[in-house]
Amino acid sequence: ILNVEQSPQSLHVQEGDSTNFTCSFPSSNFYALHWYRWETAKSPEALFVMTLNGDEKKKGRISATLNTKEGYSYLYIKGSQPEDSATYLCAYWGTGSARQLTFGSGTQLTVLP
Amino acid sequence: SQTIHQWPATLVQPVGSPLSLECTVEGTSNPNLYWYRQAAGRGLQLLFYSVGIGQISSEVPQNLSASRPQDRQFILSSKKLLLSDSGFYLCAWSGAGVEQFFGPGTRLTVL
Repeated sequence: ILNVEQSPQSLHVQEGDSTNFTCSFPSSNFYALHWYRWETAKSPEALFVMTLNGDEKKKGRISATLNTKEGYSYLYIKGSQPEDSATYLCAYWGTGSARQLTFGSGTQLTVLP
Repeated sequence: SQTIHQWPATLVQPVGSPLSLECTVEGTSNPNLYWYRQAAGRGLQLLFYSVGIGQISSEVPQNLSASRPQDRQFILSSKKLLLSDSGFYLCAWSGAGVEQFFGPGTRLTVL
């Protein structure tokens, strides 16, 4: 059983604050790490797919880093806005996983106006 | 461009009744197809995946089954629903790349 863990489980921040959360995953047999943004009653929206150790990706105010040797990824949101409120999911894809993603349980972010 | 459809969007069913959720993908051929479930307070759990017509792999033992009668059609079924089958069901597809794309989901409530 693959262990993909996200922390914190939930987070409340004020509008304008910057925040970050963590995804940890198995460091062996790594192939790719996905980040998704998931709003209630909608389908998960892909944010980033990261494959190389040291990868850094950015999309607007959201960025992510990847450390495959130690098995963690950080997602950063700069200047949080209420529309950033959602659950952020990471998903690990290993080399032996037959094209399956193993998801973490998510970090639920609430940005207060 | 590729699109993925799921229906129905919401469903309320009594315990013991059958279930059929449908997922179809357009704009691609021979996709890998997946069924996920999010139970209350939990993360996304992979239920089934399929790499081709009639090829289904089950990830967890459960009260559900899946079928792939056509290349771009994936069906999730149950003969008799349990209370624990309630949740949000997502269908997804992937191609040759590393990305996976999700459908709009079905909210199932079993009473």
